[in-house]
Amino acid sequence: QAQLQQWGAGLVKPSETLSLTCEVVGGSLSGYHWTWIRQAPGKGLEWIGEVNHLGGSSYAASLKSRVTILVDKSTNQFSLTLRSVSGADTAVYFCARGLGAVDGRRWFDTWDQGALVIVSS
Amino acid sequence: SSEVTQDPVLSVALGQTATITCRGDSLKYFYTSWYQQKPGQAPTLLIYNRNDRASGIPDRFSGSYSGTTASLIITGAQAEDEADYYCCSRDLSGKLVIFGGGTKLTVL
Repeated sequence: QAQLQQWGAGLVKPSETLSLTCEVVGGSLSGYHWTWIRQAPGKGLEWIGEVNHLGGSSYAASLKSRVTILVDKSTNQFSLTLRSVSGADTAVYFCARGLGAVDGRRWFDTWDQGALVIVSS
Repeated sequence: SSEVTQDPVLSVALGQTATITCRGDSLKYFYTSWYQQKPGQAPTLLIYNRNDRASGIPDRFSGSYSGTTASLIITGAQAEDEADYYCCSRDLSGKLVIFGGGTKLTVL
């Protein structure tokens, strides 16, 4: 059973760039949609975006201008970059494995434990 | 609207049935999945494809669907089912994934 392990800076200054990486351990990148989801303190889940093993990506409309999600097949990792952050980007960030079908179905069967990223000077 | 909405809170007596609903126009066209989240933990997949139970999930959890409403049904709620529950689907364009705002379930 694949597991996900995430790392990155836990404190980012306003206007700077948030970077997180998630490694897929014990599984393949192929056939899945590698996803970032976040949760602001006391709030609900927010889908940030996803990338497939071929590098095709899609992003939440509200974040599209600031976010990039990439996949690296050589290291079995995928990454999140969020530019020009503000306090509103303070959240627990989760990486997750998405399954689905061409008709748009999507569900997330594997999650990492999440990491709190604080945006503060 | 491209949103899906949930009632923020719901209470259920121990052993009774809880029905958590998710409403949105896009649910007429796209499948729903459901997640349980306990404090300090990552979400856990409960239901996908509207009514398929994920591996290892007790059969007291089930999903149903009608028109623009999807439901997660907990038949015989247990104390350990006290958690936040989220629905997930697509927006009307079909391009983006959206989550409901979550329902906090209290088991009395």
